[in-house]
Amino acid sequence: AQSVTQLDSQVPVFEEAPVELRCNYSSSVSVYLFWYVQYPNQGLQLLLKYLSGSTLVKGINGFEAEFNKSQTSFHLRKPSVHISDTAEYFCAVSRDSSYKLIFGSGTRLLVRP
Amino acid sequence: DAGVTQSPTHLIKTRGQQVTLRCSPKSGHDTVSWYQQALGQGPQFIFQYYEEEERQRGNFPDRFSGHQFPNYSSELNVNALLLGDSALYLCASGLPLNTGELFFGEGSRLTVL
Repeated sequence: AQSVTQLDSQVPVFEEAPVELRCNYSSSVSVYLFWYVQYPNQGLQLLLKYLSGSTLVKGINGFEAEFNKSQTSFHLRKPSVHISDTAEYFCAVSRDSSYKLIFGSGTRLLVRP
Repeated sequence: DAGVTQSPTHLIKTRGQQVTLRCSPKSGHDTVSWYQQALGQGPQFIFQYYEEEERQRGNFPDRFSGHQFPNYSSELNVNALLLGDSALYLCASGLPLNTGELFFGEGSRLTVL
């Protein structure tokens, strides 16, 4: 079975500073990895995904993530955050290209002016 | 192009009652998945529908059931409601070619008193 651990429940950061949101997964098979963002009172929106190929994945809104198989990690990064990036971020894993995603518990990114 | 739409957006029920939630997938999508998101937690997979059949199911009791119609829309039914069923219920749809990317609706927030 797969599982996802998001080590930080909340990450406060100042505007224009870099940020990294950590995600580790556990799986005995190859996986697909995703980061979703949830703004208040909204559904989830896909930021980026890793299915295969290059381990550095670029997504929307300037976010990127790097798949590290040896460390079973898929950390999300952004070099300079904006106030509008304040939201809940979820890492998710799937065993295959099906739609059964296993989500982590989320990390709340709080960007301060 | 309308995205995933869900109804109702909010509802309040009492223990023991039954509830039906509805979802219309994004245009061109044929697969619908349902997720339960308890407060402060990541979404949990309930089940997935494709070609009007339940294809995958998460660890939820039989009180949770669903249906997919020929136009790909879907319903989630929960019987004998418990206080612990209070959550945001998210519907997500996917492309015919499995890419693992889900498009989420804004959810139906169910409160059980």
